[in-house]
Amino acid sequence: EPEVTQTPSHQVTQMGQEVILRCVPISNHLYFYWYRQILGQKVEFLVSFYNNEISEKSEIFDDQFSVERPDGSNFTLKIRSTKLEDSAMYFCASSRGAARNQPQHFGDGTRLSIL
Amino acid sequence: KNEVEQSPQNLTAQEGEFITINCSYSVGISALHWLQQHPGGGIVSLFMLSSGKKKHGRLIATINIQEKHSSLHITASHPRDSAVYICAVRNRMGGTSYGKLTFGQGTILTVHP
Repeated sequence: EPEVTQTPSHQVTQMGQEVILRCVPISNHLYFYWYRQILGQKVEFLVSFYNNEISEKSEIFDDQFSVERPDGSNFTLKIRSTKLEDSAMYFCASSRGAARNQPQHFGDGTRLSIL
Repeated sequence: KNEVEQSPQNLTAQEGEFITINCSYSVGISALHWLQQHPGGGIVSLFMLSSGKKKHGRLIATINIQEKHSSLHITASHPRDSAVYICAVRNRMGGTSYGKLTFGQGTILTVHP
């Protein structure tokens, strides 16, 4: 069964450095999402992406964050200047559509540790 | 903004027991996911439902749209069912909603042999 893949599984970065988290969504999916989960907290929505542009973003998704689909297969999340509080598990998800009968499929996540 | 609450937060069971995890939400939705999160952190989708009931193996999910409530049942629980179970809702489409999910805090299930 097709799946969403995320790399790397664990990323350790110095505070202030840029980091790029990568995701390969399922190939015929059109809607893409990033979520994050700070240790011990709920999973939170960051951003949704459709038709090569951001369709919705949360208040967490400030100017330090950006998303891109550079080549039609990868979907990336960039954090420009990381902070300690960016340490979290980041999940990518994709779905064929946004209608109620189209489930989201999740990757295994990237654990981001900011030192 | 949809508030999603799960109960209980922690659940311990003996192998073979019937388990129920509850989820309630505050605003009408288009669909509800039940997700399973393993100790390594990965998330697996168990069910997505918008009405009625779904069954997959020993897992059963129900939803009552009028009462804004869903339950996940596990029959004949097994130690391998130990995980965090998360309810997540998709708000009704419209405006700028493109299917984002709002998550509950999760229920930590431990099944002892």
